[in-house]
Amino acid sequence: DTAVSQTPKYLVTQMGNDKSIKCEQNLGHDTMYWYKQDSKKFLKIMFSYNNKELIINETVPNRFSPKSPDKAHLNLHINSLELGDSAVYFCASSQMGLAGAMNEQFFGPGTRLTVL
Amino acid sequence: QKEVEQDPGPLSVPEGAIVSLNCTYSNSAFQYFMWYRQYSRKGPELLMYTYSSGNKEDGRFTAQVDKSSKYISLFIRDSQPSDSATYLCAKRSEYGNKLVFGAGTILRVKS
Repeated sequence: DTAVSQTPKYLVTQMGNDKSIKCEQNLGHDTMYWYKQDSKKFLKIMFSYNNKELIINETVPNRFSPKSPDKAHLNLHINSLELGDSAVYFCASSQMGLAGAMNEQFFGPGTRLTVL
Repeated sequence: QKEVEQDPGPLSVPEGAIVSLNCTYSNSAFQYFMWYRQYSRKGPELLMYTYSSGNKEDGRFTAQVDKSSKYISLFIRDSQPSDSATYLCAKRSEYGNKLVFGAGTILRVKS
């Protein structure tokens, strides 16, 4: 059974287009995340939602808009795509848990976005 | 200066070698230090984590944190070709569950 799934796996699109990536987790977690991994493998958090509430919002262009319809889903919509948006986008989930607890994050398989 | 510094490699070793992967970090207000392993075209998966300072061992893997020098290490004994992957060190922010990653080290174990 897939724990964290993302669709699509690959996305190739033209500059200026709008696209969405979907994420679903069946782990019963209450917190979900979007990360961006650039061509040099550097992985950086973009957003985090806890129980559908935005709790982490890093310095990301406002062309990126996350949406969480429920605890098990977190989608990422990107407007006016640019060449620099080409990267692998990972969704992850965890329990928020108690302050100081480990709260392991489980990652999805990634969505490889290529902007031409 | 990045919060977590990690040499991207690649690091190439023969099968059976002892591998040492290292990171340094700049902010000491963190509780958990982690190592994630990422195979090619896959998502990262948690390999080991340590809380505060000290060592933690799991089979062929040992994670070590030295808070006085702000140094995080992962040692792999008897390395295998199946260990070939990118290894990402990370620390967890004091604010919620935010993870800050190093750049990742590409490891290749040759048979």
